[in-house]
Amino acid sequence: KQEVTQIPAALSVPEGENLVLNCSFTDSAIYNLQWFRQDPGKGLTSLLLIQSSQREQTSGRLNASLDKSSGRSTLYIAASQPGDSATYLCAVRRLRANAGNMLTFGGGTRLMVKP
Amino acid sequence: NAGVTQTPKFQVLKTGQSMTLQCAQDMNHEYMSWYRQDPGMGLRLIHYSVGAGITDQGEVPNGYNVSRSTTEDFPLRLLSAAPSQTSVYFCASSQQGINTEAFFGQGTRLTVV
Repeated sequence: KQEVTQIPAALSVPEGENLVLNCSFTDSAIYNLQWFRQDPGKGLTSLLLIQSSQREQTSGRLNASLDKSSGRSTLYIAASQPGDSATYLCAVRRLRANAGNMLTFGGGTRLMVKP
Repeated sequence: NAGVTQTPKFQVLKTGQSMTLQCAQDMNHEYMSWYRQDPGMGLRLIHYSVGAGITDQGEVPNGYNVSRSTTEDFPLRLLSAAPSQTSVYFCASSQQGINTEAFFGQGTRLTVV
């Protein structure tokens, strides 16, 4: 059974710091890994999707890496801002025929960026 | 610019009542799914669909029914609500294919008393 773990569960940093969020998964048989942002009381917003054949993806100040063999992904946020405060979730899509977009989620990292 | 729309946003039910959570998407996505989010448990897959007329169970399907009569709509039915079904429910959709992004609705917060 696929298990996804995110460490740390919570993180508080001063504005301007570069930071790294970690995601690990137990089964490397995945199609891709997706990082989401969730604001309190809101839905999930997709940030980045990394295909299993890729090593990293970048979008603005965000960079996500994937090491499928070791079951790890990191989300790097450069020059953090108070507006980055949110919960960040990673999810892996399992390799399974005709199974739609079935995602297994980590528990999330709750990030607070202090002004 | 609607994306994935869920209704209602909030609902309180009494134990034993039934209700339907609505989910609609306007992106012509083949894949749709329902998740529940609970503190300490993360998001867990309830049911999913790969197209109109095709549904299957996810990780935690007990107590829930789904149907998919159109591409756009994927309602989730609670047959007889229980306090253990108190949760936040999210609907998601994505294009067909193996490397397609999932788009989520804003969620329905359900309380069963």
